[in-house]
Amino acid sequence: GQNIDQPTEMTATEGAIVQINCTYQTSGFNGLFWYQQHAGEAPTFLSYNVLDGLEEKGRFSSFLSRSKGYSYLLLKELQMKDSASYLCTPVGNTGKLIFGQGTTLQVKP
Amino acid sequence: GAVVSQHPSWVICKSGTSVKIECRSLDFQATTMFWYRQFPKQSLMLMATSNEGSKATYEQGVEKDKFLINHASLTLSTLTVTSAHPEDSSFYICSADGLAGVGNEQYFGPGTRLTVT
Repeated sequence: GQNIDQPTEMTATEGAIVQINCTYQTSGFNGLFWYQQHAGEAPTFLSYNVLDGLEEKGRFSSFLSRSKGYSYLLLKELQMKDSASYLCTPVGNTGKLIFGQGTTLQVKP
Repeated sequence: GAVVSQHPSWVICKSGTSVKIECRSLDFQATTMFWYRQFPKQSLMLMATSNEGSKATYEQGVEKDKFLINHASLTLSTLTVTSAHPEDSSFYICSADGLAGVGNEQYFGPGTRLTVT
């Protein structure tokens, strides 16, 4: 079957670092996306991993371990505007994005 | 680049009427477009996948006669909600994939909020 497991909610302080973990199970694997979604808006692309390792892009980094079915998104120097939902989105062998509930991150001053 | 637009951004309609939502890729040709629906505090649910010039593939549980999808060109797909009812009120989001194959980034439109009264 297909399953995504990530924390429902997280809280962090402005300026801090937060890591959002995700474990997944898919039928086949064609990479994993992380999306950011603000309330009432569509998702926006953050990162894509298809090989094991760390991808860094500015304040955001994403890590993938295919053998463990594990990924994390690391957000540094948190800003208030980073308060949003973060969607760990693997791609199975159908090519379709698999969405879970996501992690709602609240950044506090 | 890679901008996807949706129109309208929000719409209110009466129960029993039909509503058409347009999804356009503005600066690329989309071989595949996807339609999602998202209810409050829930995850995005894929409704259907459409390829230009062919019939859409609907996910299990999605009524193809109620949610009509037309992908007439490489830059435009439309979703028509026919005989809308209050339970169809939701946030409808389209995305477009400009490349063949799997694992490609999907570019999301801004979404359309439908309210059926």
